[in-house]
Amino acid sequence: GENVEQHPSTLSVQEGDSAVIKCTYSDSASNYFPWYKQELGKRPQLIIDIRSNVGEKKDQRIAVTLNKTAKHFSLHITETQPEDSAVYFCAAKARIKLIFGTGTLLAVQP
Amino acid sequence: DGGITQSPKYLFRKEGQNVTLSCEQNLNHDAMYWYRQDPGQGLRLIYYSQIVNDFQKGDIAEGYSVSREKKESFPLTVTSAQKNPTAFYLCASTLSATEAFFGQGTRLTVV
Repeated sequence: GENVEQHPSTLSVQEGDSAVIKCTYSDSASNYFPWYKQELGKRPQLIIDIRSNVGEKKDQRIAVTLNKTAKHFSLHITETQPEDSAVYFCAAKARIKLIFGTGTLLAVQP
Repeated sequence: DGGITQSPKYLFRKEGQNVTLSCEQNLNHDAMYWYRQDPGQGLRLIYYSQIVNDFQKGDIAEGYSVSREKKESFPLTVTSAQKNPTAFYLCASTLSATEAFFGQGTRLTVV
């Protein structure tokens, strides 16, 4: 069936460094790719998304890139801060089915 | 206060019991979803529904059932056939290719 693979599962960076999380999807009908941040004990919240007709999108320190041919998409966080520490999930949506990756635990060391 | 509401926040189930988790949204969203979250396994799709009286199985539907009698409501029943139900359950809703909004979750524990 359809799946989304996400790497790495854990990522530790120093404050101020960049962090990159990568995802691969299998369903070629996927046309919407959101990224969610989940803090401990809380619900996931959208931080950025991209649609299949766009290759890159940026919002302040966060950017997402999409390579439809390779079925890859990535999250880039620059100038990381301790409050960026959380679990990040990528997802891919084909028709209405929304499938999530397994998550990346990002730790930003002060 | 608009949004998506799950209840209860914590739920305890005895072995062999069925329990129902509530999910209500007032966002006028068509699609609704149930996910199960276990440590290190991300969000796994249990069931989803595009419209009233229609729903599809996700990747881990065994031992669960749902109904969609109203657009606003998508309750999930965890049946006794689900052998390992202890987990954090998240409900979400969305409009087409747009952001999915999540409820605050229900933590289910088998006692």
